[in-house]
Amino acid sequence: AQSVTQLGSHVSVSEGALVLLRCNYSSSVPPYLFWYVQYPNQGLQLLLKYTSAATLVKGINGFEAEFKKSETSFHLTKPSAHMSDAAEYFCAVSDHRRWNSGNTPLVFGKGTRLSVIA
Amino acid sequence: DGGITQSPKYLFRKEGQNVTLSCEQNLNHDAMYWYRQDPGQGLRLIYYSQIVNDFQKGDIAEGYSVSREKKESFPLTVTSAQKNPTAFYLCASSTGQSSSGANVLTFGAGSRLTVL
Repeated sequence: AQSVTQLGSHVSVSEGALVLLRCNYSSSVPPYLFWYVQYPNQGLQLLLKYTSAATLVKGINGFEAEFKKSETSFHLTKPSAHMSDAAEYFCAVSDHRRWNSGNTPLVFGKGTRLSVIA
Repeated sequence: DGGITQSPKYLFRKEGQNVTLSCEQNLNHDAMYWYRQDPGQGLRLIYYSQIVNDFQKGDIAEGYSVSREKKESFPLTVTSAQKNPTAFYLCASSTGQSSSGANVLTFGAGSRLTVL
């Protein structure tokens, strides 16, 4: 089955500093990859998705991610952190191999909690 | 506005009781999903349904049951057989593969179940 690994359960950055959240995937076929954000006691909101159209994907709130096949990575970045970015971030992959349908459930990483220090 | 409504937002249950969590969507999505979230474990798939009257077990279906009688609704029952039901439960829906080929899930706000 497909899977994703998020390195670091907690990342802390200063306001204005670079945000880097790491995600590595395992897939023997071209994957569809996603980043979602979750604020406390809320559902998940899509930040961006990779669908093979372009390796650098831009999302909402100034976030972007780069798909690197050679490194099996899909790291999330933002040039300058804002206090409002403090949340939990999840990387996810479509599990094509397991579910042969158009409505494929996503497999999620364990999440990375981002703290932003003033 | 279209979206997914989960209720109740908070629920307390005594051991041995069954509880049902509601999930309703007005997005006209074909597929619906239930995930369980525990601290440090990410989201794990409980059940999912591609179409009405059809559903499939996910990775942690034991102790849970679902039904899909209407396109808009996908209730989850947490039975007394579920050994550790205290968790945050998230419902999601999707319309299937978009023109890009990716299946984007839209999530509800979640229901927090606590067993006393």
